[in-house]
Amino acid sequence: EAQVTQNPRYLITVTGKKLTVTCSQNMNHEYMSWYRQDPGLGLRQIYYSMNVEVTDKGDVPEGYKVSRKEKRNFPLILESPSPNQTSLYFCASSSDGFRSYNEQFFGPGTRLTVL
Amino acid sequence: KNQVEQSPQSLIILEGKNCTLQCNYTVSPFSNLRWYKQDTGRGPVSLTIMTFSENTKSNGRYTATLDADTKQSSLHITASQLSDSASYICVVSGIYNTDKLIFGTGTRLQVFP
Repeated sequence: EAQVTQNPRYLITVTGKKLTVTCSQNMNHEYMSWYRQDPGLGLRQIYYSMNVEVTDKGDVPEGYKVSRKEKRNFPLILESPSPNQTSLYFCASSSDGFRSYNEQFFGPGTRLTVL
Repeated sequence: KNQVEQSPQSLIILEGKNCTLQCNYTVSPFSNLRWYKQDTGRGPVSLTIMTFSENTKSNGRYTATLDADTKQSSLHITASQLSDSASYICVVSGIYNTDKLIFGTGTRLQVFP
């Protein structure tokens, strides 16, 4: 089944404790992206990757890191989480950018709480 | 500034009724517009994708329209079902920055029996 998976689905942590949220897709997609979703603000892009070893900042990259060593995986790293990073996070992938009809597939989400 | 605005913020309707959700955008020049359905606590799922040359696209009981001149889109839901209860998000991509999507904040629809 074609899908985007994220782990963990739920995470409660404390300020400053490094964490990684994994994202994997099995569709051989080149494009992957991370978003955060907060009430009243909609989805905001954190980082995206056009291909292996190619990443770029989205609209809200501060406090986050990403890597793209393999095509299928795109982990999101919070080196020193803070309470303002408490949010619902989504990973997404598509065959390339959004120039035409390329559908974007979203993962199930990771709910992160930073105390 | 490129923006996508949706209305209403929330909507309650009875099962079997029709409804229409609105999306206005300022993204220019425009590449494509998407409507997503997001169930509570789950990832968005694509309903329709339209380019500037298309003015209507259907997906079952969902019909999206697009007026690129007025920069407006609507999503019409026919004969609503309880399972239509969700948030509906309008998303726009511009020609020059097609690697980024601009998301609206969504319309929360609740369908009651």
